[in-house]
Amino acid sequence: KNEVEQSPQNLTAQEGEFITINCSYSVGISALHWLQQHPGGGIVSLFMLSSGKKKHGRLIATINIQEKHSSLHITASHPRDSAVYICAVRANAGNNRKLIWGLGTSLAVNP
Amino acid sequence: NAGVTQTPKFRVLKTGQSMTLLCAQDMNHEYMYWYRQDPGMGLRLIHYSVGEGTTAKGEVPDGYNVSRLKKQNFLLGLESAAPSQTSVYFCASSISYEQYFGPGTRLTVT
Repeated sequence: KNEVEQSPQNLTAQEGEFITINCSYSVGISALHWLQQHPGGGIVSLFMLSSGKKKHGRLIATINIQEKHSSLHITASHPRDSAVYICAVRANAGNNRKLIWGLGTSLAVNP
Repeated sequence: NAGVTQTPKFRVLKTGQSMTLLCAQDMNHEYMYWYRQDPGMGLRLIHYSVGEGTTAKGEVPDGYNVSRLKKQNFLLGLESAAPSQTSVYFCASSISYEQYFGPGTRLTVT
């Protein structure tokens, strides 16, 4: 079992829908990252959070440290949001420069 | 600012050939990383560097070597390429904990 699990693996939505992507982890962490990888391959950091909630435009990330769970929400989804969304955690034991990566959630938003 | 750049973008090698992938960053970041990305697997750390002149092994270092002679450059070498090294390679850099990624290099070893 991976230390970082994402669900769903694949998601198809209609433009305008509210989308939720989940990330659960099994290790103690100092921070959790959400990243976006577009078709074409580039990876961009969206959020880094260690508690609570962060918002950037139509994206909202939340984390519950006690439950070892984070969600990434996309409001009013648009076809340009189609990408792979990756969760990664920084464990609070050992070398905390290293990240433990989830396998990603592939999102397709249809017009 | 170009951010993080990688050269080449694509390469096809024959088994046993060698090559070097170059990563360059213009953000004065101390930390640099090399990852590989394979279908069905998360990003895996090959090697990383915490500063000029330093390198360290990641999860999957075998078959790769690295050098960080200048702060802005992090080189990944394959001395004798194998088909198992067919992958997309990403370089990243960071000054705090947020990592900035290059566009990737798609390497095929036949």
